[in-house]
Amino acid sequence: DTGVSQNPRHKITKRGQNVTFRCDPISEHNRLYWYRQTLGQGPEFLTYFQNEAQLEKSRLLSDRFSAERPKGSFSTLEIQRTEQGDSAMYLCASSLKGTGGAEQYFGPGTRLTVT
Amino acid sequence: AQSVAQPEDQVNVAEGNPLTVKCTYSVSGNPYLFWYVQYPNRGLQFLLKYITGDNLVKGSYGFEAEFNKSQTSFHLKKPSALVSDSALYFCAVRDTSAKIIFGSGTRLSIRP
Repeated sequence: DTGVSQNPRHKITKRGQNVTFRCDPISEHNRLYWYRQTLGQGPEFLTYFQNEAQLEKSRLLSDRFSAERPKGSFSTLEIQRTEQGDSAMYLCASSLKGTGGAEQYFGPGTRLTVT
Repeated sequence: AQSVAQPEDQVNVAEGNPLTVKCTYSVSGNPYLFWYVQYPNRGLQFLLKYITGDNLVKGSYGFEAEFNKSQTSFHLKKPSALVSDSALYFCAVRDTSAKIIFGSGTRLSIRP
């Protein structure tokens, strides 16, 4: 399968614990995005990378959230001291930097439940 | 700031009938517009996009969308609905950066 992959697919954690998610983009894609989706809502942008550089972060992303893409390939999203409000689907997408209209391809998501 | 609105939470259509899912947008500059579909327990799938050119854009699974600059709309259409089209549909606009701003989604239900 050459699509975007995310691991784990499901994560249940207790409030206050740290969690880390991984995203592997489509191999030739140089842009990678993280979104958060809550039930019945559209995805909300969190952050994105062009190669290894993190170019933008949403105001939704508190100090407890951090993301890395150390070698410009896979990326990790870490949430520290999780709260029940962090329960959501975390989506990763990738695209090619082009003339501006490149579509993003999404992974299956990681569903986080904070108890 | 860029934004997109989907005025209908749900659209119900009988199989075989035409369907329309509405979307309006607000952008500064040229709009880059997208439609995505989300099936239960699956990721978002790209359907089609408008960048420039013809106002009628054709995409996957027989869907098409009509770009209307004067009405700032980008409605999704299909001439003959299938039960398998039942899913959650998102309209989206590309921000001045590279991120996509999604609408709140429209649940499409096709009855046999």
